[in-house]
Amino acid sequence: QKEVEQNSGPLSVPEGAIASLNCTYSDRGSQSFFWYRQYSGKSPELIMFIYSNGDKEDGRFTAQLNKASQYVSLLIRDSQPSDSATYLCAVKRGGADGLTFGKGTHLIIQP
Amino acid sequence: GAVVSQHPSWVICKSGTSVKIECRSLDFQATTMFWYRQFPKQSLMLMATSNEGSKATYEQGVEKDKFLINHASLTLSTLTVTSAHPEDSSFYICSAGQGNPGGPQHFGDGTRLSIL
Repeated sequence: QKEVEQNSGPLSVPEGAIASLNCTYSDRGSQSFFWYRQYSGKSPELIMFIYSNGDKEDGRFTAQLNKASQYVSLLIRDSQPSDSATYLCAVKRGGADGLTFGKGTHLIIQP
Repeated sequence: GAVVSQHPSWVICKSGTSVKIECRSLDFQATTMFWYRQFPKQSLMLMATSNEGSKATYEQGVEKDKFLINHASLTLSTLTVTSAHPEDSSFYICSAGQGNPGGPQHFGDGTRLSIL
């Protein structure tokens, strides 16, 4: 059974600091990896996606993937109060497959 | 950018009613769309894969006769919750991807369904 694990939090980070969110997955056949942000009562919003081992940077966000360890992470630099949300890690096996989501990490950025 | 539109946003209805939810890709064609369900304080769970011009593929434990999916065109998929009951109350969200099949999925705004 495909599983995606995340620490539910809450993870509290001071404003301006780096927030580090982690995710592990069980399906070694996973090919695509995504981070979504979800505000309460809203649908998920895509933050980052990564396919290859290593780091991928986009503005204040960096996604890191280690397929050997089955580990994905998201770093948020210069955290802002508006970054406070639930961050969902999702993986996808192949093109025709839907996403398998973790339960999400609730991030709180303290002003 | 890619936009996925979902309608309606909210539905409140009596037990036994059937409810139809629409999911449209507004600026791209989607041969495949996905339907998810999210209960309070839980994560999104994939319900089914909607395939244009063919039958939907349902995840284990999802009743295909209860959750009817129609994907009649490259921009529209519908989910009908038949004879809805209070336990079907949830947040239903569709998604579609543009371009690379392995690429990111864009989500609609979701439909909050409340069955009285």
